[in-house]
Amino acid sequence: AQSVTQLDSQVPVFEEAPVELRCNYSSSVSVYLFWYVQYPNQGLQLLLKYLSGSTLVKSINGFEAEFNKSQTSFHLRKPSVHISDTAEYFCAVSETLSGNTPLVFGKGTRLSVIA
Amino acid sequence: DAGVIQSPRHEVTEMGQEVTLRCKLISGHNSLFWYRQTMMRGLELLIYFNNNVPIDDSGMPEDRFSAKMPNASFSTLKIQPSEPRDSAVYFCASSLLGLTNEKLFFGSGTQLSVL
Repeated sequence: AQSVTQLDSQVPVFEEAPVELRCNYSSSVSVYLFWYVQYPNQGLQLLLKYLSGSTLVKSINGFEAEFNKSQTSFHLRKPSVHISDTAEYFCAVSETLSGNTPLVFGKGTRLSVIA
Repeated sequence: DAGVIQSPRHEVTEMGQEVTLRCKLISGHNSLFWYRQTMMRGLELLIYFNNNVPIDDSGMPEDRFSAKMPNASFSTLKIQPSEPRDSAVYFCASSLLGLTNEKLFFGSGTQLSVL
């Protein structure tokens, strides 16, 4: 069975500092990996995804994540955060892209950017 | 497209009352998911449908919870009778079957408070 572990429930960081949000997964087969972001009082939105190919994937707002199969990790990074990045971030894993098995989400990491 | 629409945004009710949460899918989508979010448990999948058919309801906590899709674009989640421990944010999400896990579209959620 798949599972996702986000080790940090809360991460405070100063504006313009770098940040890394950790995500580890467990699965017996190949996986697809996702990061979703939830801004205050909103639903989750897809931030970036790894399906195949290059193990480094990037979002339009400066976040990137690297799929590391040997370490079963998919950590999210940003070199310089902004106040507007304050949100909750969820890592998710799936063994399929079809509707046969749903995504499994981690418990989330709350990123707080301090001015 | 207006996105996934949930109603109401907030619901406050007394223990023992019936609660109905509503969700309108994005036009053309045919996979529908209901999630519950709490501080303790994070994001939990309650039930999901493909083409109006419930596929997996193992996440529904008790018989007090029921979900339906009376038509292809609309779903309800009913709790009867409600209890204080049901207090949470309830999200629905929709996607296209076959690409279900590639991108989920979430509604803004219903904040439920059972007193």
